[in-house]
Amino acid sequence: NAGVTQTPKFQVLKTGQSMTLQCAQDMNHNSMYWYRQDPGMGLRLIYYSASEGTTDKGEVPNGYNVSRLNKREFSLRLESAAPSQTSVYFCASTTVSPLHFGNGTRLTVT
Amino acid sequence: SQQGEEDPQALSIQEGENATMNCSYKTSINNLQWYRQNSGRGLVHLILIRSNEREKHSGRLRVTLDTSKKSSSLLITASRAADTASYFCATAGGYNQGGKLIFGQGTELSVKP
Repeated sequence: NAGVTQTPKFQVLKTGQSMTLQCAQDMNHNSMYWYRQDPGMGLRLIYYSASEGTTDKGEVPNGYNVSRLNKREFSLRLESAAPSQTSVYFCASTTVSPLHFGNGTRLTVT
Repeated sequence: SQQGEEDPQALSIQEGENATMNCSYKTSINNLQWYRQNSGRGLVHLILIRSNEREKHSGRLRVTLDTSKKSSSLLITASRAADTASYFCATAGGYNQGGKLIFGQGTELSVKP
């Protein structure tokens, strides 16, 4: 089973550039989440989608947008990247606990 | 703001010793979960304890929960070098919160052979 797949694995952007991080799960989960992980900060929730067709803000949504394209896919978009968005981004999914995580996208904004 | 605070931030032990990590949280919870993260990988679920449970075991893992003190501990017995990883607690609120988890900052465990 592939589980949760994130693409790309690594990305370097210049300040002001835009990009979309892709996430897909093959476990038929209802809920999907985007977290960012920074040293000493643990994981912080950016956005989540409790079910297909709904999205809600998490703890740190500023500078991001999301799209729940269908039940399988949940994308995260940075419209104008800033150095403060340098981080490792994790997608996760679940129907009932626990969360299943992808292996992350390491993003550097210069 | 972070829900969970973990202690210690880093722990170094010898193989065969026990490792104890603690987690404190601020608000009422539905359940508390522990996850493990190997370097460069995503998080993997270890164990879930519900708010009405006080202790739970899974293999070499023992988790306790004290809702009056808003704290939990994870004990790994007879540790192995392969247990080297970061460990995170995460709390889940009520069902009206979309099932989202709030994570602590993690404990970095190093087990020396």
